[in-house]
Amino acid sequence: DTEVTQTPKHLVMGMTNKKSLKCEQHMGHRAMYWYKQKAKKPPELMFVYSYEKLSINESVPSRFSPECPNSSLLNLHLHALQPEDSALYLCASSRIRRTGSTEAFFGQGTRLTVV
Amino acid sequence: AQKVTQAQTEISVVEKEDVTLDCVYETRDTTYYLFWYKQPPSGELVFLIRRNSFDEQNEISGRYSWNFQKSTSSFNFTITASQVVDSAVYFCALSEISETSGSRLTFGEGTQLTVNP
Repeated sequence: DTEVTQTPKHLVMGMTNKKSLKCEQHMGHRAMYWYKQKAKKPPELMFVYSYEKLSINESVPSRFSPECPNSSLLNLHLHALQPEDSALYLCASSRIRRTGSTEAFFGQGTRLTVV
Repeated sequence: AQKVTQAQTEISVVEKEDVTLDCVYETRDTTYYLFWYKQPPSGELVFLIRRNSFDEQNEISGRYSWNFQKSTSSFNFTITASQVVDSAVYFCALSEISETSGSRLTFGEGTQLTVNP
């Protein structure tokens, strides 16, 4: 089972709303990631969690708040977003090995529209 | 800093043609991973292949093959006998090797491949 499940698949939110994106994997991967992808652009890394600890934060605005409650779950809490934050948000996971991380497996993403 | 360049923005072929997608990368790391991912219109990034920087052996997997040349920093990807279902955006990506943490993927801009019947 090489599946990463993201919910919801689509989300429309106002600029004053608070919402959360959820991601789950059951592959035993100990690294989990959030990427943001604008239309016709490549994914850009936002956060990396390794062994449930935040290891990389790519200078993301504080209106995005990640959380890793356990080794299978990854959340992204959203608050006071701007219309330019509208994008596809992709979650991914990978193993961590002595020879380095392996390939990341991605979910189908959440298409977020901020109005 | 790491950088991945995919010079081909769009490629259009007729079914059953072979197609090669080009990728050139820059990194100061001596060891790293290279990947190809496929992104169909549904949005999910699908892992296709991975190559370690210390293994330049080129391989074939079904209709996919790749040509990794460290001397020219290139990692090209070929689809043999293309099919309509191969139509997607293809991303080349580079990551450092970390023993203790997850690693950041640096993606190229992507190549839109359209396979026409």
